[in-house]
Amino acid sequence: DVKVTQSSRYLVKRTGEKVFLECVQDMDHENMFWYRQDPGLGLRLIYFSYDVKMKEKGDIPEGYSVSREKKERFSLILESASTNQTSMYLCASSLIGEGTGELFFGEGSRLTVL
Amino acid sequence: RKEVEQDPGPFNVPEGATVAFNCTYSNSASQSFFWYRQDCRKEPKLLMSVYSSGNEDGRFTAQLNRASQYISLLIRDSKLSDSATYLCVVNAPPGTYKYIFGTGTRLKVLA
Repeated sequence: DVKVTQSSRYLVKRTGEKVFLECVQDMDHENMFWYRQDPGLGLRLIYFSYDVKMKEKGDIPEGYSVSREKKERFSLILESASTNQTSMYLCASSLIGEGTGELFFGEGSRLTVL
Repeated sequence: RKEVEQDPGPFNVPEGATVAFNCTYSNSASQSFFWYRQDCRKEPKLLMSVYSSGNEDGRFTAQLNRASQYISLLIRDSKLSDSATYLCVVNAPPGTYKYIFGTGTRLKVLA
């Protein structure tokens, strides 16, 4: 079974803190994604990566950055957390390129920024 | 207009009922369509892909209507365990890595 593991299930941070969310997948998938999910807004794409060191902005990249130094690991960074970044963050990976393959999600990281 | 639209529900149905959800999408060139299931406070998981000819998996049937730009999910003989949120997902624009998610339709199956 494909496993996508997110390092932290629940985090509480203060405004202005730097936050790292880590995601690791064990199936050698090329594509990895970071989404946030908010009530009434659904899942929105923050960033994705289709190869090591490659990244592309999604629909809401402002306030976020990402890092993909190894194929299995995709990190989401909040340089200076703000209260409007309180959300559920979901990492996903997929094998086949160009939006045709199944997305496998991690369990999510629920971030609260005070 | 939203890129992918779903009725948020909730749909409250008795066990054994048949229930159908629709989802409309705005990009007529979209090629890949999916239904995901998400349980409360859990991650989404693929329920089924939607193929042009329609496809069935046990009690679940998915249909695609390209002319009207909607996909549907039919659940027959509903079980209590079918209670979840069903997410419609479309890849858009075609040839990109992006998946567009609907906000989901909530289903509650009642005993």
